[in-house]
Amino acid sequence: DIQMTQSPSVLSASVGERVTLSCRASQNINKYLDWYQQRLGEAPKLLIYNTNNFHTGNPSRFSGSGSGTDYTLTISSLQPEDVATYFCLQRNSWPRTFGSGTKLELK
Amino acid sequence: EVKLVESGGGLVQPGRSLKLSCIASGFSFDDYWMAWVRQAPGKGLEWIGEISQDSSTINYTPPLKDKFTFSRDNAQNSLYLQMSKVGSEDTAIYYCATGSFDYWGQGVMVTVSS
Repeated sequence: DIQMTQSPSVLSASVGERVTLSCRASQNINKYLDWYQQRLGEAPKLLIYNTNNFHTGNPSRFSGSGSGTDYTLTISSLQPEDVATYFCLQRNSWPRTFGSGTKLELK
Repeated sequence: EVKLVESGGGLVQPGRSLKLSCIASGFSFDDYWMAWVRQAPGKGLEWIGEISQDSSTINYTPPLKDKFTFSRDNAQNSLYLQMSKVGSEDTAIYYCATGSFDYWGQGVMVTVSS
């Protein structure tokens, strides 16, 4: 199975700050990497699919990048409503595997 | 509006079986792969598996392959998860989602306890 490692596990940032979350795969996943946002008490929501493709309805401040084993989710200007846990998911091979999440808090 | 609504959760005794349902609306259900994901209390997301549009292909995460069974009824826009011989480790919120995870249900809680 492909292992997905997210860092940091907890991130504190200020409103308006640029934030970067990382996800590393244990092997090449060919850009089949998605990002999900999960607010407290809610279901996860797709933000980015296949590394850098926006899912409809999400703010443009979210963007993704990466290749091979290393991937990044960037929030260009953090907003209060972005407080959530963010998960990555690899869909390159079976079984699909999620990262353990990055909890994003306001400083 | 796309909606996925799970049901069938609740308190179940260890070793028993339970069947979860997911009713879809607002999209062409029979055009989509569908998936199940679970989340233990305070933990991360775990991919359980997925089922193809015509049920001809089903992929499970290996540790759950002999415990969980997926099925679907396209005429009823319904997806099912049959859980057998449940244990405390199966206590979680269970989500159904489209296969590409662009839409998720609100989740249903399953608690395994005597």
